[in-house]
Amino acid sequence: SQKIEQNSEALNIQEGKTATLTCNYTNYSPAYLQWYRQDPGRGPVFLLLIRENEKEKRKERLKVTFDTTLKQSLFHITASQPADSATYLCALGGNAGNMLTFGGGTRLMVKP
Amino acid sequence: GAVVSQHPSWVICKSGTSVKIECRSLDFQATTMFWYRQFPKQSLMLMATSNEGSKATYEQGVEKDKFLINHASLTLSTLTVTSAHPEDSSFYICSARATGTGEGEQYFGPGTRLTVT
Repeated sequence: SQKIEQNSEALNIQEGKTATLTCNYTNYSPAYLQWYRQDPGRGPVFLLLIRENEKEKRKERLKVTFDTTLKQSLFHITASQPADSATYLCALGGNAGNMLTFGGGTRLMVKP
Repeated sequence: GAVVSQHPSWVICKSGTSVKIECRSLDFQATTMFWYRQFPKQSLMLMATSNEGSKATYEQGVEKDKFLINHASLTLSTLTVTSAHPEDSSFYICSARATGTGEGEQYFGPGTRLTVT
C-alpha cells in the first residue's frame, strides 16, 4: 500500500540554522509533490510544488529537492526564525482526480 | 487572493444531532473541493472529493450517508455530519482547487472543530 513517511519526532533547531525535513514514500509514483505549513488549529498553507521532472525548487528561504529514484523529498529552511515553528506536511499528487495524499507531518521548533 | 473560508470555526453538538459545515472560495471559482478530517497529532485524511453539480466521490471507509456533501455552486460546498456521535469529533478541513487547474496547490480553509457530546 502507499506510504508517506515524515519524521514524527519534533525537530528542534537554533535560530539562524538551516532546518531540513524529510519526506519518504513507497509504492507511489507521484507526478508532483507539495509542501504545506500547518499551525495548530489552522488549515494547511501551501508553500511549494515540485514536479517529478524537477530536481530542485527554491522560494525565498525555502528549498525543496525531489529524488524520484530515492523516492524522497527534502525541505530546507535557511536562516530559520522562531516564526518558522510549525508542522510541515508533504503531500503527493498526480493520481486519478489529482487528489493529494498527505504525510503525517513533522513539527519544527526554532529556538531563539 | 485564493482565500477559502469555513463556517463555523467550531461547533459543539449533542449526540444524535446533525451539523452542517460550509466551505466557500471567496475570490475564485472552485470546480473541485475536498473534505479532510484530522485527528489530534495526525495528518489529514481525505474523506471525499466534491465536484460542482455532481455527486461527491467518497474515500474507502467513509460513509456517504453519514457525511453528506453538497457542492451546489462553484464557490460553495457543504458537509453535513448526520446523527453525530462522539467518535465523529474531529477537525474538519476543506480545500479548493481553482477552476482550470489540473495539478497545483489546493487552498485550504481554516478548519472546523467539531465536538460531539
